[in-house]
Amino acid sequence: DAGVIQSPRHEVTEMGQEVTLRCKPISGHDYLFWYRQTMMRGLELLIYFNNNVPIDDSGMPEDRFSAKMPNASFSTLKIQPSEPRDSAVYFCASSFKWDRGPPNYGYTFGSGTRLTVV
Amino acid sequence: AQTVTQSQPEMSVQEAETVTLSCTYDTSESDYYLFWYKQPPSRQMILVIRQEAYKQQNATENRFSVNFQKAAKSFSLKISDSQLGDAAMYFCAYRKGRGRDDKIIFGKGTRLHILP
Repeated sequence: DAGVIQSPRHEVTEMGQEVTLRCKPISGHDYLFWYRQTMMRGLELLIYFNNNVPIDDSGMPEDRFSAKMPNASFSTLKIQPSEPRDSAVYFCASSFKWDRGPPNYGYTFGSGTRLTVV
Repeated sequence: AQTVTQSQPEMSVQEAETVTLSCTYDTSESDYYLFWYKQPPSRQMILVIRQEAYKQQNATENRFSVNFQKAAKSFSLKISDSQLGDAAMYFCAYRKGRGRDDKIIFGKGTRLHILP
């Protein structure tokens, strides 16, 4: 498997523009997670899905953020309109459910998307 | 709510020496998993080692080992024979063992510098 694939790797956009980040999880994984990493706040969980269904979106900062998982192999995180304070590295990760047994308890992360909003 | 605390924002160690990174966590669960992740400058998150709470034996992966103290809710990472490639941010993390809540909670991280 190629691992968790995120695109783009880097994104620079102007304030007010719409930004879409993409993620392809590992085939067969049950869960998909979106995290945001900043120096000030560390790794924050934004939202996660189980079998394509959103389970917890309490970490989504505001209505400008939305995430979808239309099928088991694809997810998007959209910011509209974007603001400079959204600049961060956004990670997607996927995993099996806990009852698949070891060594499957951890996540596999993508390489992240560095978003810069100017 | 579960929390993970890493009290050392930065540490330095001489190459070939041993270093220990600290982590404490708070949970009322009895069944859970603990992890250490490494994030080098490439920003890729790499799973270093995992520990199941029901196991008394400390996990070991080559030069990496943990000291898991369940009663104290402590989970430290020991890196032996430190190498330049070990320089990275290290995150301690927690995940519930059962139920629908399968999210991982991360500490703030410890940046490890390796001195040549």
